[in-house]
Amino acid sequence: EPEVTQTPSHQVTQMGQEVILRCVPISNHLYFYWYRQILGQKVEFLVSFYNNEISEKSEIFDDQFSVERPDGSNFTLKIRSTKLEDSAMYFCASRGGAGPDTQYFGPGTRLTVL
Amino acid sequence: SQQGEEDPQALSIQEGENATMNCSYKTSINNLQWYRQNSGRGLVHLILIRSNEREKHSGRLRVTLDTSKKSSSLLITASRAADTASYFCATPFGNEKLTFGTGTRLTIIP
Repeated sequence: EPEVTQTPSHQVTQMGQEVILRCVPISNHLYFYWYRQILGQKVEFLVSFYNNEISEKSEIFDDQFSVERPDGSNFTLKIRSTKLEDSAMYFCASRGGAGPDTQYFGPGTRLTVL
Repeated sequence: SQQGEEDPQALSIQEGENATMNCSYKTSINNLQWYRQNSGRGLVHLILIRSNEREKHSGRLRVTLDTSKKSSSLLITASRAADTASYFCATPFGNEKLTFGTGTRLTIIP
């Protein structure tokens, strides 16, 4: 069964460093998402991406964040200058097409900012 | 906010018993989705129920949706130790972002 994959599974970085989290969505999917979950808290939406552009972003997704689909398979989330409060589990998700449809989530990347 | 809120926050039952979790939401939806998360792991999609459906089954899972009460329930029958996880309902806003509740932590006691 096709699945969303994410790398790395765990990333440790120093405050102020840039990190890139990578995702490979399900191959025929058209809509891509990033969510995050701070330990013990709700899963929060960050950004959605369709047709090579951001379609919606939350207030969390400030100028320090960016997303990119550099080729036909990868979908990346970049945090330019990490802060302690960016420590969280980051989930990538993808969805097939228009209309009500399931979002399939990857296993997540645990980001720890020291 | 379209947030789903699950009830109860935590539930412990004996293996073999049925587990029921509830979710309430605030505004109109076109579908509602249930996910499972094992401790510290990813979100696994369980089932999607559309707004024009009242009940849906998938294996040992039964989901109901009452749009008049803005509520949904997830029933897991004949629970197993492997069902121990957190369960979340999620409602989509405009087919884009999913809004998740705080989840129900289910513990199955062997």
